[in-house]
Order: sequence, then structure tokens, then C-alpha cells
Amino acid sequence: DAGVIQSPRHEVTEMGQEVTLRCKPISGHDYLFWYRQTMMRGLELLIYFNNNVPIDDSGMPEDRFSAKMPNASFSTLKIQPSEPRDSAVYFCASSRTKTSYGYTFGSGTRLTVV
Amino acid sequence: GENVEQHPSTLSVQEGDSAVIKCTYSDSASNYFPWYKQELGKGPQLIIDIRSNVGEKKDQRIAVTLNKTAKHFSLHITETQPEDSAVYFCAASIKTGAGSYQLTFGKGTKLSVIP
Repeated sequence: DAGVIQSPRHEVTEMGQEVTLRCKPISGHDYLFWYRQTMMRGLELLIYFNNNVPIDDSGMPEDRFSAKMPNASFSTLKIQPSEPRDSAVYFCASSRTKTSYGYTFGSGTRLTVV
Repeated sequence: GENVEQHPSTLSVQEGDSAVIKCTYSDSASNYFPWYKQELGKGPQLIIDIRSNVGEKKDQRIAVTLNKTAKHFSLHITETQPEDSAVYFCAASIKTGAGSYQLTFGKGTKLSVIP
């Protein structure tokens, strides 16, 4: 198993541009999570999906953030327009269950908005 | 307040010594407590977990203890090695405002093992 695959690994963009982060979860995992990691706030849950359906997006900071999961093997997190305060490492994770098993994290996307 | 508190935020130990990281949680109904290790430039990796029906679990040099009454759990690393240097996160299944449970993470402990 290749694990959770995220792309790109690094993204540098100018303020106001659209950014799209991508994730391929582990096959057979019904849950997919998007996290943001910063020094100040640690790991924050942004949104999670169950069987491709968004369940809880209360962690999405603003309407500039949106996430989709068109099928069981692909999800995107989009920021439009991007702002410097969005600079962080974004992780995707997947799991068989929501709270009974550990999550498998991808390697993350380091986003820098200048 | 925070649902999962983790201490200390940084920890330095000599190679061969033991390291202990502690976490407390707020929800008495929490029943799952994983620990993650994050190395530089990588995502967090699950290293050990414990469920609420067990008080202790061990895997080679790593052990986790759980005190349900006091609502705290700890990670113990014995005979530390330089490759143990990383950021460690605890997590607990916490009830959200919407009434469902989700894993909530502590703020992390940066462990440095000095050769």
C-alpha cells in the first residue's frame, strides 16, 4: 500500500491566487480528513468526509476554503482567493473509522502565500 | 478550555534515558487514545494506541498508560535513541459540539535525544 498520497509537496503562490491541494486516500478507508498545521494552533481539523460525503466542515476557516471528494480515491482542498495567513502545512488523512482506529496521514503540502 | 492538553512542549533527554510525555482530556466518555510521531518534513505516524478498557500497553521500548479516573494518559519511551527525536502528539476521541466524536490532538511535544 502506498499510503495516503498528497500533491503537491510544496506550493508557493501569490496572494489572491487560487490554490488546489490534492489527496488520494488509502483504498478501503471510508473516512478522509483534511488538517491544517501551524506553530500557533497545532493540528486543526478543517473538514472530514465519510463515504465521499462531507460530514463536518465546521473547522473550515472561511468561505474561501472549499473541499470536495468526487469519488472514493480522490479529494481536493481549494483556497480561493489565497491570503498570506493561509500559509501552513496541510495534511490529508484517512481511516477505516472516525474514532476507533488511528488515522494514516499523508506527507503534507507546505503552502506559502506571498 | 482545550479538550486535550499535552505536557511538556519540549523535552531533552540524554541518549539511553527515559522520556515521559503526559496528556489530559476532558471528556469522560472518550475511549480511544492514539499517539503519533512526526519527523521533520513528514506527516504524523501512529506509533501506539490504547483503548479505554485497557490500563497499559507496551510495544518494545514504547509504552502507554491510561488512568480513566484521572482522565490522563502518558507515553513512555525507554532507552531513548537519537532516532527517537521528533514531535510527539497525543490524541483522544472527544465529543464535538455537534454531538459526534472525533479525534482531537494535543499541541505536541518536541523530544530531543542528545547523543
